[in-house]
Amino acid sequence: DGGITQSPKYLFRKEGQNVTLSCEQNLNHDAMYWYRQDPGQGLRLIYYSQIVNDFQKGDIAEGYSVSREKKESFPLTVTSAQKNPTAFYLCASSIVWAGELFFGEGSRLTVL
Amino acid sequence: KNQVEQSPQSLIILEGKNCTLQCNYTVSPFSNLRWYKQDTGRGPVSLTIMTFSENTKSNGRYTATLDADTKQSSLHITASQLSDSASYICVVTGRDTGNQFYFGTGTSLTVIP
Repeated sequence: DGGITQSPKYLFRKEGQNVTLSCEQNLNHDAMYWYRQDPGQGLRLIYYSQIVNDFQKGDIAEGYSVSREKKESFPLTVTSAQKNPTAFYLCASSIVWAGELFFGEGSRLTVL
Repeated sequence: KNQVEQSPQSLIILEGKNCTLQCNYTVSPFSNLRWYKQDTGRGPVSLTIMTFSENTKSNGRYTATLDADTKQSSLHITASQLSDSASYICVVTGRDTGNQFYFGTGTSLTVIP
C-alpha cells in the first residue's frame, strides 16, 4: 500500500542530544513537508522540499535541519539548538507543491 | 494577516446526534479549503476539499459547506458515531505566498454513548 512512514513513533532524548526523525514515502510525490504540532496550536511548518536536492525553511526552522537526497526520503534532525523540542512531529507529502497533503502517523519526541 | 479560526474549540455530543463545526478565515486570495480528521496520536486524514466555486461537498456522513463571500466554512456530521471522536482541522490554501497552507487549531469532538 502506498503511504508515508514515519519512525520512530515515540522517541525520548536527553537535553543536548541531536535526534533524527525518519520520513519515507512511496507515493511518488515531489513535495514533502515537516510540521510541528503543539497542544492548542495549528500545525507549524518547519521545512519543506518541492523537489529532490532542494529544501526551504518554514516558519520555525531554527534548531532543525533536513536533507532531500532521494525523492522518497525527507529526514528531520532536531538539534540541541532547538530550545523546546518536545512536540508531535508530522511529515507530509503532496503530488506537487500545495497539492493535497498526505500525512504520516507522526513521531512524538520527548526531551527528558 | 492570514488566519484560520475554528469554533468551537471542543464539543461533546451524544452518539447518533448531528453537529456542525465552523471555520472562518481571512486568507486572501483564496485557493481552496480542506477539512482533515485527526485521531488522537495519529496523522490527519483528508475529508473534503472545496474550491472557490463550490458551495457544498459530501463525503458519507460528512458535509462541508463554503461561503467564499463571507469566508466561512462548516463541517456537518450526521448521525455521529463513536469513531467520529477526533480533532477536525480546517486548512486554507492561499495564493499570495506561493500557495502556502494556513492551519486552524482544530475542534476536538467527543462522541459519547
